[in-house]
Parts: sequence; structure tokens; C-alpha cells
Amino acid sequence: EVQLVESGGGLVQPGGSLRLSCAASGFDFRSSWMSWVRQVSGKGLEWVANIKPDGNEKSYVDSVKGRFTISRDNDQNSLFLQMNGLRVEDSALYYCAREWNIWGQGTTVIVSS
Amino acid sequence: DVVMTQSPLSLPVTLGQSASISCRSSQSLVYTDGNIYLNWFHQRPGQSPRRLIFKVSNRDSRVPDRFSGSGSGTDFTLNISRVEADDVGVYYCMQGTHWPKTFGQGTKVEIK
Repeated sequence: EVQLVESGGGLVQPGGSLRLSCAASGFDFRSSWMSWVRQVSGKGLEWVANIKPDGNEKSYVDSVKGRFTISRDNDQNSLFLQMNGLRVEDSALYYCAREWNIWGQGTTVIVSS
Repeated sequence: DVVMTQSPLSLPVTLGQSASISCRSSQSLVYTDGNIYLNWFHQRPGQSPRRLIFKVSNRDSRVPDRFSGSGSGTDFTLNISRVEADDVGVYYCMQGTHWPKTFGQGTKVEIK
């Protein structure tokens, strides 16, 4: 079954860190561009970051540059998002997506004191 | 950043009738390879987005042919013919040509 399953979300204080994971199955992960997209409750979609299949090229939206790091482990079919220096405005449902045609169910990040 | 502007933002439709959503980009979406990386997504309440259309007019697998995409340059349209109850939700356009990738605000489709 083609599937993406995110995990790692939770409640964290401003300035804190979280590491999101996305486990992929049912497709050729190591050949796929992967992305993180977030959605504030009741709001629209925002692309956060993506990574090339070999992991050597990464891009970020300006608001997370220097704080978030996307990475992948092709042997483990896994995608990650290390989030440091979290801000209240980073609170959202975080989706991982494969080349826009496969999406996970998301994991919720809440940044609050 | 490329701004994607959708209209209308709310679209009440009658079952069996057609619906049309517009998406305009603040700059051309033609990439250096000649392709236009414009996607359409549908998000039902409580669900993840699902891509319907890629590169302006190509339907994803298992997407009914009631859904069609068109457009060029900076103006794009998603058409839904014979609207069904299952079509409710929010529709987003997204450009994948320029960095950062950007989405439209979303158009909420509901049944009258």
C-alpha cells in the first residue's frame, strides 16, 4: 500500500525543538522528491521545505530558513524535519508529501507557553 | 514570491451543475523546460489534500473526467462538471515553477 505516515508532533514551548518523521512505503522513495507542507487550523496550505532524491539539494520557505532542516534516509524510507527555535506561528498540521501526489495524514505541532 | 490568487473564495453549487474556479499567478508559470507546473488539489474536511490535476490539465489517476484544468501563462481554471456531493471541500491551486512553491488561498465549494 502506498503510504506516508508522519510522527513526532507535539506541544513545545517557544524556542524549543521537535523532530518530525515521515515513514514511506509502497513506492520508490529513494527516487522521489519529498516535501513538508503545513496548514494552520482552518487556514490554507504553506510549502515549508523539500529535498531532492539524493538528499543533496534542499530548499526552504524564508520563514523557516536557519531554523528548520529537512533530511532523509533512503535506506530507511524516511523523511525528517528538524525544527529548532520554534515560534508560536509555527503551530500547524505538518504534512509530508511525495511529489505532490501522495500525502500523509499529518502530525500536529503546537508551540505555546 | 509568486502570489497565487483564486476566485471565488466561496462557491455554492447545485448538485448536477457545473463549477469553475479561477487561479491567477503574479508572474508567468512557464518553466525553462517549457512546462507549466500548475497543480490543483482538493481537500475534504478533516482529510489531507489530494492532487487532482498536474501541469495545468493532466488528471491524476482515478480522478473523474468531470474535473478538467486549463489555462496558460498566468491564468488558470479548474472546471467541475455535474457536481456531486463528494466534491465539497476546499480547492487549491499551487505553482511548482518558482521557488518558493506557493498555494492559492483556497476556494470552498459547498452544495446549495
